[in-house]
Amino acid sequence: ETGVTQSPTHLIKTRGQQVTLRCSSQSGHNTVSWYQQALGQGPQFIFQYYREEENGRGNFPPRFSGLQFPNYSSELNVNALELDDSALYLCASSPGTAQETQYFGPGTRLLVL
Amino acid sequence: EDQVTQSPEALRLQEGESSSLNCSYTVSGLRGLFWYRQDPGKGPEFLFTLYSAGEEKEKERLKATLTKKESFLHITAPKPEDSATYLCAVQAANYGQNFVFGPGTRLSVLP
Repeated sequence: ETGVTQSPTHLIKTRGQQVTLRCSSQSGHNTVSWYQQALGQGPQFIFQYYREEENGRGNFPPRFSGLQFPNYSSELNVNALELDDSALYLCASSPGTAQETQYFGPGTRLLVL
Repeated sequence: EDQVTQSPEALRLQEGESSSLNCSYTVSGLRGLFWYRQDPGKGPEFLFTLYSAGEEKEKERLKATLTKKESFLHITAPKPEDSATYLCAVQAANYGQNFVFGPGTRLSVLP
């Protein structure tokens, strides 16, 4: 059982706005990763947090930022939304930072108009 | 250039018609290869992890194998409920801890 939850399930924003997406990892999982999945494509890595510190980042601009909290929750913040930010945003958790399986949440579908 | 590709892009099978999906990778220092199943609008569901060439894993009608350059997901006697997108992901030494995903194979199993 993965136990990874995300909120909200769907979100509609307009270009230029800011958005915060939330994730609750499985208890005991110290690592959370965020991915962006455009329609018909595989997930693309945004960044990873381990024990509240950023532990790696993909090719995404600084307007994508994140936070991880001690209670296994985390946030993805996106500023100055662009139309191309419309996608399914996924968080995934794993116990540590080694070669471990990542367990995904159901995702948040973001539509930018 | 490091990359992960999957083929075919889409596959349509009749119920009971076995087949295989391919995941090819060109990365340095493979640390693990992961297979996921994804239903439309939902998050990927973990299936298998493979760590070294020659390794095999099985679960119900699915069997995953790994070589030094590719992985196969074999589907034996599929049922309509096996219809989904199958994603493979690699974790490599030069990617840190993150996964690099392929584009996926959309599988449709017709009754």
